Formats: sequence, C-alpha cells, structure tokens
Amino acid sequence: EAQVTQNPRYLITVTGKKLTVTCSQNMNHEYMSWYRQDPGLGLRQIYYSMNVEVTDKGDVPEGYKVSRKEKRNFPLILESPSPNQTSLYFCASSQGSLAANNEQFFGPGTRLTVL
Amino acid sequence: AQTVTQSQPEMSVQEAETVTLSCTYDTSENNYYLFWYKQPPSRQMILVIRQEAYKQQNAMENRFSVNFQKAAKSFSLKISDSQLGDTAMYFCALDNDYKLSFGAGTTVTVRA
Repeated sequence: EAQVTQNPRYLITVTGKKLTVTCSQNMNHEYMSWYRQDPGLGLRQIYYSMNVEVTDKGDVPEGYKVSRKEKRNFPLILESPSPNQTSLYFCASSQGSLAANNEQFFGPGTRLTVL
Repeated sequence: AQTVTQSQPEMSVQEAETVTLSCTYDTSENNYYLFWYKQPPSRQMILVIRQEAYKQQNAMENRFSVNFQKAAKSFSLKISDSQLGDTAMYFCALDNDYKLSFGAGTTVTVRA
C-alpha cells in the first residue's frame, strides 16, 4: 500500500531533550516536506526537499533541522525543543512539483507536546 | 511572500443543503496552483480539488466545485448536497513551485 508513515504518532517530552520524528514514504517520491499545524494558523511549511541531499527552508524553519540522505526518508530533528514547538506535525511527499499535477500525500501526523 | 486567508472559522449546514467556503490569497506569481484539502476528525489530510491558475474553467469533483476569480484572487469552495461525512476542517492552499501556503481553515459541521 502506497503510504507516508511517521513515527512516533504521539510524543511528550521536556524542554531541551533532543528528538527526531521520522518520516518514510514507499512511493519513490522525489519531493518531501514537513509542516506544523497550529489552531488558527493552519499548516505552515517547515522544510522541504526536492531530492536526496537537497533541502530548503519553508516559512518556519527556526528550531528545526532536516536531512535527506535517502530518497524514502526525511527525518525532522529538534535539537533543543521548546514549548512553542508543541504542535501537530505532518510529513508529505509527492513525485515532483505540485505544479506538474503531482498530488501531495500526507502522513498521519505526529502530536508533539514539549513541557 | 504569498498568503492565504480564510475568513470563516466555522460554518454549519443542514444535510443535503449547499455551503460555500471563502478563500482569498495573495501572490506575485502569475502561474500557481490552488487546492482545497479536507481534514476530518481523524486528522488525515485529503485533497478535495485543485485548480490551475492559467485555466479559466472552474474545477469540479462530484459534489465539490470551485469559483476561481483570478483577478480578485478569490478561490471559494462549494459543497453541494452536503453529507454528514463532509463534517471536517477545510483548508485552502496555494502552491508556487514547492512552497505550499495554507489558510487557517474553516470548520464545517453538517447537521442531520
């Protein structure tokens, strides 16, 4: 089954404790992206990657890191989480640019709470 | 910078009736793409409909249709014959070559 998986689905952590949220897709997609969803703000793009070893900042990259060493994986790293990073996180992937009529597939979301 | 605005935080509609969700956007690009996504209580993001800015014809998918007014930078979604399963949050989104911007969302509740 074609899908985007995220782990963990739920995480409660404390300020300053490094964490990684994994994202993996099995569709051989070139494009992957991370978003955070907050009430009243919709989804905001954190980082995106157009291919292996190619990443770029979205609208809210501060406090986050990403890497794209393999095509299928795009982990989101919080080196020193803070309470303002408490949010619902989505990973997404597509074959290429949405402009080329490629649909973006979303993962199930990761609910992160930073105390 | 591109922005997307959804001015209706919540809307309620009777089953089988029609509801229209508004969305306005701002971009300096001439070629871009617009989307409506549905997020039910399961939190899964589901693509409802897409519109290419260079196409004048409004997109339509079954009971979902859009009214795209490029000059006014408006992109509304009409849900016809509303069903209980349409209850969800709906997001308008604007894509410009890998950068996707979302509105704040509109929660739609369909009443039986």
